[in-house]
Amino acid sequence: DAGVIQSPRHEVTEMGQEVTLRCKPISGHDYLFWYRQTMMRGLELLIYFNNNVPIDDSGMPEDRFSAKMPNASFSTLKIQPSEPRDSAVYFCASSFTAGTTEAFFGQGTRLTVV
Amino acid sequence: GNSVTQMEGPVTLSEEAFLTINCTYTATGYPSLFWYVQYPGEGLQLLLKATKADDKGSNKGFEATYRKETTSFHLEKGSVQVSDSAVYFCALSGTPLVFGKGTRLSVIA
Repeated sequence: DAGVIQSPRHEVTEMGQEVTLRCKPISGHDYLFWYRQTMMRGLELLIYFNNNVPIDDSGMPEDRFSAKMPNASFSTLKIQPSEPRDSAVYFCASSFTAGTTEAFFGQGTRLTVV
Repeated sequence: GNSVTQMEGPVTLSEEAFLTINCTYTATGYPSLFWYVQYPGEGLQLLLKATKADDKGSNKGFEATYRKETTSFHLEKGSVQVSDSAVYFCALSGTPLVFGKGTRLSVIA
């Protein structure tokens, strides 16, 4: 398997624009996680899904953020409208039957909002 | 609730020095423990893991032993290289994983 695939790797956008980040989890994994990483706040869990259903979105910072998982092989994280403080690296991770098993991370999307 | 505490960095070492990064945890039950490494510009990747007390995880010269009596999982390497410069995260199994804040290691030649 190619691992968790995220796109794009880098995104630069202007304040107020809509941004969509994409993730393809490892085939067969039933959990998918979205994280945000900044120097100030470190690694933060935004939301996670189990079998395509959102389980906990308490980490989503504002209503400007939304995430979907329409099927087992695809998820999106959308920011609308984007703001400069959203600039961060966003990671997607997946795991099989979370609990004692590890999560596998994608390479991340570096988002810069100017 | 479950939590992980790891030593704050940054840690700067000379090449071939001995490395220890402390990690302690609070958890109910019998969790698995992990060390992840994040190289510059990359995602987190699993470095090693241990699934029960007294297990030793090892990979790439790094080791960590699951100590239930001290609730610890310290990361060690006998001789670090410049290529080991990265951020290291201790993590506890759960839904989702519980991560420490990360420790940045810089190794200088």
